[in-house]
Amino acid sequence: DTGVSQDPRHKITKRGQNVTFRCDPISEHNRLYWYRQTLGQGPEFLTYFQNEAQLEKSRLLSDRFSAERPKGSFSTLEIQRTEQGDSAMYLCASSPRGRNTEAFFGQGTRLTVV
Amino acid sequence: AQSVAQPEDQVNVAEGNPLTVKCTYSVSGNPYLFWYVQYPNRGLQFLLKYITGDNLVKGSYGFEAEFNKSQTSFHLKKPSALVSDSALYFCAVRDSSNTGKLIFGQGTTLQVKP
Repeated sequence: DTGVSQDPRHKITKRGQNVTFRCDPISEHNRLYWYRQTLGQGPEFLTYFQNEAQLEKSRLLSDRFSAERPKGSFSTLEIQRTEQGDSAMYLCASSPRGRNTEAFFGQGTRLTVV
Repeated sequence: AQSVAQPEDQVNVAEGNPLTVKCTYSVSGNPYLFWYVQYPNRGLQFLLKYITGDNLVKGSYGFEAEFNKSQTSFHLKKPSALVSDSALYFCAVRDSSNTGKLIFGQGTTLQVKP
């Protein structure tokens, strides 16, 4: 499968714990995005990478959130000191260079903070 | 600010009947519009996009969408609905920045009954 891959698919964690999610984009895609989706809502943009550079972060991304994309390949999203409000589906997407291109999404990581 | 509105939380249609899922947008400049579909506990799948050109855009699984600049709409359509089309549909517009990030509507649940 050469699509966008996310790991894990599901994560249940206790409040206050740290969690890390991984995204493997489509290999030739230089753009990578993280979105968050809560129940009944559309995905909301969190952050954007072009190659290894993190070029934009949403105001939604508090100081407890950090994302990396070392070497411009896979990306990780870490949430420190998780809160119940962090419970959501975290979606990763990638796209090739160009304005006319569409983004391809992974299947998401569903986080439940108990 | 750019935004997308999907005025219907749910659309119900009988199998074999035509379907329409509505979307209106607000952007500065030329709109880049997308439709995605999401099945339960899955990521988003790209259906179609409007960048420029013909106002009627054809996409995957027999779906099409009509771009109407004067009404700032981009409604998703299908001539004959299938039960398997039942899912959550999202309209999105590309942000005007160079990031390519998407701004999503809140989604419309399509229910196709046999």
